[in-house]
Amino acid sequence: SQQGEEDPQALSIQEGENATMNCSYKTSINNLQWYRQNSGRGLVHLILIRSNEREKHSGRLRVTLDTSKKSSSLLITASRAADTASYFCATLETSYDKVIFGPGTSLSVIP
Amino acid sequence: DSGVTQTPKHLITATGQRVTLRCSPRSGDLSVYWYQQSLDQGLQFLIQYYNGEERAKGNILERFSAQQFPDLHSELNLSSLELGDSALYFCASSPRRGNEQYFGPGTRLTVT
Repeated sequence: SQQGEEDPQALSIQEGENATMNCSYKTSINNLQWYRQNSGRGLVHLILIRSNEREKHSGRLRVTLDTSKKSSSLLITASRAADTASYFCATLETSYDKVIFGPGTSLSVIP
Repeated sequence: DSGVTQTPKHLITATGQRVTLRCSPRSGDLSVYWYQQSLDQGLQFLIQYYNGEERAKGNILERFSAQQFPDLHSELNLSSLELGDSALYFCASSPRRGNEQYFGPGTRLTVT
């Protein structure tokens, strides 16, 4: 079964608005990562947050992690058309054995 | 450019055939991961190698096998191909287990 589940499955916003995507997972994790994928291309790592961290920032990205709720959120502020892509969360289980990707959120930013 | 290379970019083959996909990780990265991405199954983790040794297995079929060579490049072998094996196959590398992964551009496999 999926470890990470993103929500919503699809999101459409106007340029300049903020976009928020959520990820829920099931087991204990060592870290949680967010990736972006443009159509048909390889995934690009965006940000990694460790299990003992609660919030992390990188440019226009803000990630939060709530281990008690087993959930994370990715906020993209002041979105741009170039942010149009699929966004995936990936969790690293504490056993270090596997990195499991969720099904992704498809974000469309309308100019 | 992530620094991870994959060959070939595209592959069209017939059912029952066998193919080999190749991946060269970023310089210095010891971990290599293989993923399959299809429209109906999403991104599925197949297998991970670390410095030549298999470290984790995901949803990899028995018809599929992989290895990582002493120079750290990796190959994914797919045999007795079926129509359902048509997908994008990604390789990713990372310097250590659990760190961020750097993805290659993928190999698009079409089985006819």
